[in-house]
Amino acid sequence: DAKTTQPPSMDCAEGRAANLPCNHSTISGNEYVYWYRQIHSQGPQYIIHGLKNNETNEMASLIITEDRKSSTLILPHATLRDTAVYYCIVRANNNAGNMLTFGGGTRLMVKP
Amino acid sequence: DAGVIQSPRHEVTEMGQEVTLRCKPISGHDYLFWYRQTMMRGLELLIYFNNNVPIDDSGMPEDRFSAKMPNASFSTLKIQPSEPRDSAVYFCASKGSRGSPLHFGNGTRLTVT
Repeated sequence: DAKTTQPPSMDCAEGRAANLPCNHSTISGNEYVYWYRQIHSQGPQYIIHGLKNNETNEMASLIITEDRKSSTLILPHATLRDTAVYYCIVRANNNAGNMLTFGGGTRLMVKP
Repeated sequence: DAGVIQSPRHEVTEMGQEVTLRCKPISGHDYLFWYRQTMMRGLELLIYFNNNVPIDDSGMPEDRFSAKMPNASFSTLKIQPSEPRDSAVYFCASKGSRGSPLHFGNGTRLTVT
């Protein structure tokens, strides 16, 4: 699976959009971009994933650049409960391993 | 759907004792994963099963660790004998067909004194 690079930490004001970047310059054509988050004392929670088109669900939006070498997770109106570590992962869905390898993630702090 | 259920939530034991962690995956999921999380090493995959069969256990740190999945609704991770360096949060996760996302339980916090 391709390696990802994320900033270790970010701050965001409550009610504002949180834009979390991820660099995956070595991504392969069949690899998807997945985002998970982990709130303190809980297990990681799936947020969203995509291949090349932008995706949106009730939690967030995922913007993938045209060359697919980077992506941004957008939380449109961050709340205090969005404070968590956000993980960006790339993997192929035909990967026989079917595993997710978690890096260090970005620690997002939403401030009032 | 109750999600992935792990027990116990907390376990404190003395060095040398046997520890058994339990996991009930989401019904219908045919993949089950065991992860370990520490401050130093982050989230590490230990082992995963597909249709109750262990597929890759290369992440299991030592022979002291063993995992079983006797049926589709239950898995155990056993440490015997336990050591202080095994102290961590152990997560179980399950997923359905290829491409579907992982669903994690809330973990078992293990402390070995």
